[in-house]
Amino acid sequence: NAGVTQTPKFQVLKTGQSMTLQCAQDMNHEYMSWYRQDPGMGLRLIHYSVGAGITDQGEVPNGYNVSRSTTEDFPLRLLSAAPSQTSVYFCASRPGLAGGQETQYFGPGTRLLVL
Amino acid sequence: AQSVTQLGSHVSVSEGALVLLRCNYSSSVPPYLFWYVQYPNQGLQLLLKYTSAATLVKGINGFEAEFKKSETSFHLTKPSAHMSDAAEYFCAVSSAGGRRALTFGSGTRLQVQP
Repeated sequence: NAGVTQTPKFQVLKTGQSMTLQCAQDMNHEYMSWYRQDPGMGLRLIHYSVGAGITDQGEVPNGYNVSRSTTEDFPLRLLSAAPSQTSVYFCASRPGLAGGQETQYFGPGTRLLVL
Repeated sequence: AQSVTQLGSHVSVSEGALVLLRCNYSSSVPPYLFWYVQYPNQGLQLLLKYTSAATLVKGINGFEAEFKKSETSFHLTKPSAHMSDAAEYFCAVSSAGGRRALTFGSGTRLQVQP
């Protein structure tokens, strides 16, 4: 298994540009989520999904969209990039069947710089 | 609502010394607690987790943590630090209900001095 994969690893955007961060998992996990990591703030939840066709907002959803058309893929879209979205983005997944005690598996991250 | 507080953004120890990373949580329902480690330019890897079984939890790489309900704590320890333990460590809490998402602390960067 490849686990959770993310592309690209690094991206530079100009203010106002849009882009999609890709996330895929091959573990047949129901639950997937996106976090952003900023210095001194830990990881904050952006959006999450409990299954194909079902998404919901997390703690910091503004400026981001998600969709879940398949179990495997959970892309994160930046609609109009802003410097405040400069961060490291992590995708994670877990089985989603036994509640909050399940282990979440994280991808390697995408480092985004918005100029 | 749930939250996590990690005391000390940076901790420095000598190789061979005790490692103690502090984590206090707040949760309105019985919590599940996790410690993750992040090595430079990598994703997060699970060290250990508490899921209401034994209060002393043993993880990978010689780490362990003890759940203390009366103190709302879940501190991470390792008897003898190794240079390879240098990394950032995150404590996280979740619960069975709600969004089933992890709430993370702000992280503690561990430095190991030779």
